[in-house]
Amino acid sequence: KAGVTQTPRYLIKTRGQQVTLSCSPISGHRSVSWYQQTPGQGLQFLFEYFSETQRNKGNFPGRFSGRQFSNSRSEMNVSTLELGDSALYLCASSPTGAYGYTFGSGTRLTVV
Amino acid sequence: AQSVTQLDSHVSVSEGTPVLLRCNYSSSYSPSLFWYVQHPNKGLQLLLKYTSAATLVKGINGFEAEFKKSETSFHLTKPSAHMSDAAEYFCVVIDNNNAGNMLTFGGGTRLMVKP
Repeated sequence: KAGVTQTPRYLIKTRGQQVTLSCSPISGHRSVSWYQQTPGQGLQFLFEYFSETQRNKGNFPGRFSGRQFSNSRSEMNVSTLELGDSALYLCASSPTGAYGYTFGSGTRLTVV
Repeated sequence: AQSVTQLDSHVSVSEGTPVLLRCNYSSSYSPSLFWYVQHPNKGLQLLLKYTSAATLVKGINGFEAEFKKSETSFHLTKPSAHMSDAAEYFCVVIDNNNAGNMLTFGGGTRLMVKP
């Protein structure tokens, strides 16, 4: 059974640009959530989608947005990139969310 | 509001000795609790989960954790550490509120295993 797939694995962008990250959940999983991991702030929740609807959103500025498609694949977009957005972005999926998530390997974003 | 506190940012043990990683939580709802492990440059792997069944939960690789409601704790233990256990460990709480599921992570504990 395929796991959670995140693309690309590594990304380098320039300050002010925008970026889109992709996440393909495990087949049958309808809940997809996103997290930002940095050495200073640790792991922080960005948002959760279930059946194309955003159910929860973390405390991040509006530059961070996401969406989920009918096949449960999800994308995360960050506009007007700042140096502080450099991080490992993790996606996780679950059948419903209540009983644990399976994580992808992450996308490492570097903003220069 | 929910929160998770991992009481030690670093733990160092010798191979073959017991491991104890401590976690305290607070939650407004009936929580689900998890331990995840992250090896360098990898994603997070689920070690074990508590979802209001048995209070002593057994996970993979010989790890187990005990849910103690009176102490709001969910400490992770292993009787005998192996070199391959060296990694970062995260205690996680999920509040299953009406609005969906939101994971809150502890700050992480880096486990070092000495030969």
